[in-house]
Amino acid sequence: QQQVKQSPQSLIVQKGGISIINCAYENTAFDYFPWYQQFPGKGPALLIAIRPDVSEKKEGRFTISFNKSAKQFSLHIMDSQPGDSATYFCAASRSNDYKLSFGAGTTVTVRA
Amino acid sequence: DTGVSQDPRHKITKRGQNVTFRCDPISEHNRLYWYRQTLGQGPEFLTYFQNEAQLEKSRLLSDRFSAERPKGSFSTLEIQRTEQGDSAMYLCASSSTGGGRYNEQFFGPGTRLTVL
Repeated sequence: QQQVKQSPQSLIVQKGGISIINCAYENTAFDYFPWYQQFPGKGPALLIAIRPDVSEKKEGRFTISFNKSAKQFSLHIMDSQPGDSATYFCAASRSNDYKLSFGAGTTVTVRA
Repeated sequence: DTGVSQDPRHKITKRGQNVTFRCDPISEHNRLYWYRQTLGQGPEFLTYFQNEAQLEKSRLLSDRFSAERPKGSFSTLEIQRTEQGDSAMYLCASSSTGGGRYNEQFFGPGTRLTVL
């Protein structure tokens, strides 16, 4: 049973464009929502995370938008660069154990 | 390098053999997690430790899987009588419960297991 659903499976964006990845969750006990970036042959690395008490968080070119009532959150990558080409995973957990439930991933390709 | 390390990076084994993987967490981290990632999917939680105590095991972890974290330092994950369905990337992550960046989990590079 997948607790976090992620879309799209893949996307292609031109250099300088905006990449948008969406996730939805069911478990209302989740209170921590991170996004991870993974390059081939590497482990995931934390990009940015949000808690449901805020609706948006921005770090550099990366922004999380969070909609608690809809149980949805999204990652926006502004001014996409070829170095951003990677697989991105959304995840969710509860703050008592931080056991992460991941989405299936989105492969982002940035064309120069 | 003070990140999470895993050994070996790659393991090829024949069906029915036993394999053991090791994870060395960031030294001051008291929590350690194991995940399994198959091709094209996100990591799936297997088990986690706080210090030396194993606090939870996923239903994905059959009786053939066992994990330990002696003295709350490194951890080992053993798979007995491997099956082809065990082929995956096994990821280890560690974190601190001391607050800060939302108890961020730092992942190792993983051990890729191939069962022939």
